[in-house]
Amino acid sequence: EVQLVESGGGLVQPGGSLRLSCAASGFAFSSYWMSWVRQTPGKGLKWVANIKKDGSEKYYVDSVKGRFTISRDNAKNSLYLQMNSLRAEDTAVYYCARASGSYLARDYWGQGTLVTVSS
Amino acid sequence: SYELTQPPSVSVSPGQTATITCSGDKLGDNYACWYQQKPGQSPVLVIYQNTKRPSGIPERFSGSNSGNTATLTISGTQAMDEADYYCQAWDSSTGDVFGTGTKVTVL
Repeated sequence: EVQLVESGGGLVQPGGSLRLSCAASGFAFSSYWMSWVRQTPGKGLKWVANIKKDGSEKYYVDSVKGRFTISRDNAKNSLYLQMNSLRAEDTAVYYCARASGSYLARDYWGQGTLVTVSS
Repeated sequence: SYELTQPPSVSVSPGQTATITCSGDKLGDNYACWYQQKPGQSPVLVIYQNTKRPSGIPERFSGSNSGNTATLTISGTQAMDEADYYCQAWDSSTGDVFGTGTKVTVL
């Protein structure tokens, strides 16, 4: 059974940092692109970042470029999101998702972890 | 930046057909996906590559994509289909883009 379990969310002050983790199981993690997608409470989904199977390519939404870093450890079946210089507008539930096929359909999602940026 | 626009809400009677549109410039030149999200739950992929259904998704869900509009159709809508639906596509300059979302209400 495919499972994605996020952790690392919490309350952080503006300007602070947080590292999210996503533990993957039930599939060949190193064979898939992975993504982070966020959702402000009560609002829509917003793509944050993608990372290639071997970590050699990374893509980000403009609003997080230079502040967030996506990475992975295929030996540990884990995906990460390092978030620096956090802003109030980064407050959201962060989901990790598996991206399948040539066109990266997100076929499995974790349960999400809430990040709250507030003083 | 690239944007995908959906109607905020769609209402449908049980057993009838719900049609949800997703509009974006030359969207038909890309592949579109659709996700279903019920309150308090994570999104679920219901359509990928415009028309394909993942394993376990009922046949009543179908998709199309042409011109500037992708469409998700739910035939014989059931109460369990009440949820938010999001389209998604890749744009070469913006990256991954999700639609604004549509709340489907089964009256």
